[in-house]
Amino acid sequence: QKEVEQNSGPLSVPEGAIASLNCTYSDRGSQSFFWYRQYSGKSPELIMFIYSNGDKEDGRFTAQLNKASQYVSLLIRDSQPSDSATYLCAVAPYSGGYQKVTFGIGTKLQVIP
Amino acid sequence: DGGITQSPKYLFRKEGQNVTLSCEQNLNHDAMYWYRQDPGQGLRLIYYSQIVNDFQKGDIAEGYSVSREKKESFPLTVTSAQKNPTAFYLCASSIPGRGTGNTIYFGEGSWLTVV
Repeated sequence: QKEVEQNSGPLSVPEGAIASLNCTYSDRGSQSFFWYRQYSGKSPELIMFIYSNGDKEDGRFTAQLNKASQYVSLLIRDSQPSDSATYLCAVAPYSGGYQKVTFGIGTKLQVIP
Repeated sequence: DGGITQSPKYLFRKEGQNVTLSCEQNLNHDAMYWYRQDPGQGLRLIYYSQIVNDFQKGDIAEGYSVSREKKESFPLTVTSAQKNPTAFYLCASSIPGRGTGNTIYFGEGSWLTVV
């Protein structure tokens, strides 16, 4: 079983719609969760991180965490063509100091104008 | 501006050659990492270092070597023992702490191609 699972996509949504990206993880001890955006040929850039159950909003982005279900998601409201990219989910245990961060393979999002 | 600088951006390696990828950061981060990314695969950890003069193997260290002589620098050597080195290489750094966990920040990456 993969430690961090994502559907590779592509996920296609029309411009202006809500894009929902999902991620599940296997380690129940995980406490830090990250979403990165990666444009084709570029390096990943951090969008959001979340540690507590529930929702965390930042502009058009909302991260949702459910530790009981071992599930984290990213919602993108009012999707724009510029949001077309691969979104990487990353998970880490939090125990202070160095932690091994595990990345999923990423979900490719296509926003159709 | 603070950031992580990788060089070169594009590199071609002949069979049997060793090549070194440079990574410099001025973020004052303690930890540094090297990842490899192949199409359709997630990021795979090659090596990481938490402090100067100390580094640990990641999941796919065979055929690679690193050094950490300065806090700011973490070069990666791809040796001839690495049989399939063509990939996108990402250097990263982080500063663990409460409230930020171990947020990892990436450099712009280096493309290595075997010719």
